[in-house]
Amino acid sequence: DVKVTQSSRYLVKRTGEKVFLECVQDMDHENMFWYRQDPGLGLRLIYFSYDVKMKEKGDIPEGYSVSREKKERFSLILESASTNQTSMYLCATLDRLLDEQYFGPGTRLTVT
Amino acid sequence: GESVGLHLPTLSVQEGDNSIINCAYSNSASDYFIWYKQESGKGPQFIIDIRSNMDKRQGQRVTVLLNKTVKHLSLQIAATQPGDSAVYFCAENSGGSNYKLTFGKGTLLTVNP
Repeated sequence: DVKVTQSSRYLVKRTGEKVFLECVQDMDHENMFWYRQDPGLGLRLIYFSYDVKMKEKGDIPEGYSVSREKKERFSLILESASTNQTSMYLCATLDRLLDEQYFGPGTRLTVT
Repeated sequence: GESVGLHLPTLSVQEGDNSIINCAYSNSASDYFIWYKQESGKGPQFIIDIRSNMDKRQGQRVTVLLNKTVKHLSLQIAATQPGDSAVYFCAENSGGSNYKLTFGKGTLLTVNP
C-alpha cells in the first residue's frame, strides 16, 4: 500500500510565523502535490513537483513556497503565516503507471 | 450537483438504495476524470476513473458515466451502505500529462440505516 504521511494532523501558529508542513511518501513516486481544502471551494492546487528540485506553481501559489530536496519528501512553506491561510492542507503523490493520486491524511492549520 | 456556494450539496439515502451523485465539469478539453471519496478526518481516496474516449466504466458497486456533450459526470453507487457515507467529489484533468486536476466542491452522501 502506498503511504503518504504528513508531519502534523493539527497545527496552530501565530500570524507572521514561518510554517513548515512536511509530506513523506514511501513509493518512489516522482510527482507530488500540495493542495488546500476550504469549505465551498474544494481542493485547490498550491504547488506540485515532478522530480527532485523541480517545482511548478499551481493555481494559488501566493504566500507559499515548496522544497523538494529528496524524492520522498515534499515540504510546503508559509514564509509569513496569515489568517487567510487557515485551512486543511493535503499532500498527494501520483502513480504514473496507474494514473492514481494518493493523498495524505491532511494537516489542519489554524493561524491566529 | 456541485455547488459554488459555501454549503455542500447533500444526498440522503436509505441503506440498500442506489445513489447517484452528479458533477458538472468545466473544460471541454479535459481528457480524464476521477471520483474521490473523503471520509471525515481523512484525505480523499480514489474510487474510479474514466477517460474521455469512454462513456461508462464499472467498478465494484460503482459506475461512472460520462456525457461529454453536456460536460456531465455521474457516480452511481449500488446497494448503498452506511460505510459509503462521505463527501464525494469529481476531478477533471485538463493538463494532459502534467496531471493538473480541477476538483469539484463535493457532495455529502448520508446513508440512513
